Amino acid sequence: DTGVSQDPRHKITKRGQNVTFRCDPISEHNRLYWYRQTLGQGPEFLTYFQNEAQLEKSRLLSDRFSAERPKGSFSTLEIQRTEQGDSAMYLCASSLGGGAPLEQYFGPGTRLTVT
Amino acid sequence: ELKVEQNPLFLSMQEGKNYTIYCNYSTTSDRLYWYRQDPGKSLESLFVLLSNGAVKQEGRLMASLDTKARLSTLHITAAVHDLSATYFCAVDNTGNQFYFGTGTSLTVIP
Repeated sequence: DTGVSQDPRHKITKRGQNVTFRCDPISEHNRLYWYRQTLGQGPEFLTYFQNEAQLEKSRLLSDRFSAERPKGSFSTLEIQRTEQGDSAMYLCASSLGGGAPLEQYFGPGTRLTVT
Repeated sequence: ELKVEQNPLFLSMQEGKNYTIYCNYSTTSDRLYWYRQDPGKSLESLFVLLSNGAVKQEGRLMASLDTKARLSTLHITAAVHDLSATYFCAVDNTGNQFYFGTGTSLTVIP
């Protein structure tokens, strides 16, 4: 399978705990995006990487959220001191950069439930 | 911040009928994207529209872009049950940050 993969697919955690999600993009894609989606809403942009550089971060993103993409391959999204409001689907997407049309390919998502 | 609005938010239509979903956005952009999402699933890319006047068609779906009006449409022809899903449009400002609409939930009734 050469698509975008995410791990885990589901995560249940207690409020106050830290969680980390992983995204493996399509191998030749240099752009990687993280989104959060709540029920009945469209995906909300969180952050964007081009290769290993984090070039954009939503102003809405709390300091409890951090993302990395070491070596420009897989990426991790960590949420510290989780809150019930963090419960959502976290989506990762990748795309080609340069002159390509920037069509994004989405992974299956990680569903986070904070109890 | 770029705003993207879709209407209608909910659409129930009979098989065989035609309908159009509208996507308005608040700032200049030459790129617009349409995605489909089935319940509990991730997003699937449908169309990428890259310039004013762009029109793309795939099966019973046709998308168009008017950058001057900041409007894109997704037209459904002779709807079938398999088209039931939520449809999102998205706009990017520089390719770095994408803004999605709230989605249109489409139900096709036999």
